[in-house]
Amino acid sequence: SYVLTQPPSVSVAPGKTATITCGANNIVSKSVHWYQQKTGQAPALVMYYNNDRPSGIPERFSGSNSGNTATLTISRVEAGDEADYYCQVWDSDSDHQVFGGGTRLTVL
Amino acid sequence: QIRLVESGGGVVQPGGSLRLSCAASGFTFTTHGMHWVRQAPGKGLDWVTLISFEESDKFYADSVKGRFTVSRDNSKSTVSLYMENLRVEDTAVYFCARDPGGDSGSIDYWGQGTLVIVSS
Repeated sequence: SYVLTQPPSVSVAPGKTATITCGANNIVSKSVHWYQQKTGQAPALVMYYNNDRPSGIPERFSGSNSGNTATLTISRVEAGDEADYYCQVWDSDSDHQVFGGGTRLTVL
Repeated sequence: QIRLVESGGGVVQPGGSLRLSCAASGFTFTTHGMHWVRQAPGKGLDWVTLISFEESDKFYADSVKGRFTVSRDNSKSTVSLYMENLRVEDTAVYFCARDPGGDSGSIDYWGQGTLVIVSS
């Protein structure tokens, strides 16, 4: 089965840039999507098709996908960005949706 | 606005069964596939199943295949998840979620979830 690997935690100071990675074999061949989940809330889509932002998501959020690593980058981090972030792909070989283990972003 | 409202969660003994429902509104239900995704307490997201908009295709996670059955009623804009032979490890918040369509494989809207506790 296809496995997505994320760092368990990332910490960043306000105003700095947070980088959250999602690693998998040849992930560049897949469309990667990212979700933000704040405590006690349902997840919310923050990036789709690697680097497209849904309406309402600030331009501070950007995405990329290359080789074996997809990346969600949050510029000028704010306290309100503190949340768990999950990457996700559709694995067409197994017809399964796959989530990464999640990364907790802490704003110092 | 788009709303997904889950119901049917509760406490059930191991080996028991439960049916979850999700009522959708605010969009053309018949043109979207629907997912169920679960989240065990303190854990990450775990995809459960996807049903296509015409109900012609159903996909299941290996951990629930043969025990869970997804269905939908397009006349009522509802999707259901029938769970049987439940295990302690099925304890989780179950989210109903919308597939935006096309080939993205993503989820663009989520319900607030319903809690299922499997315990003796």
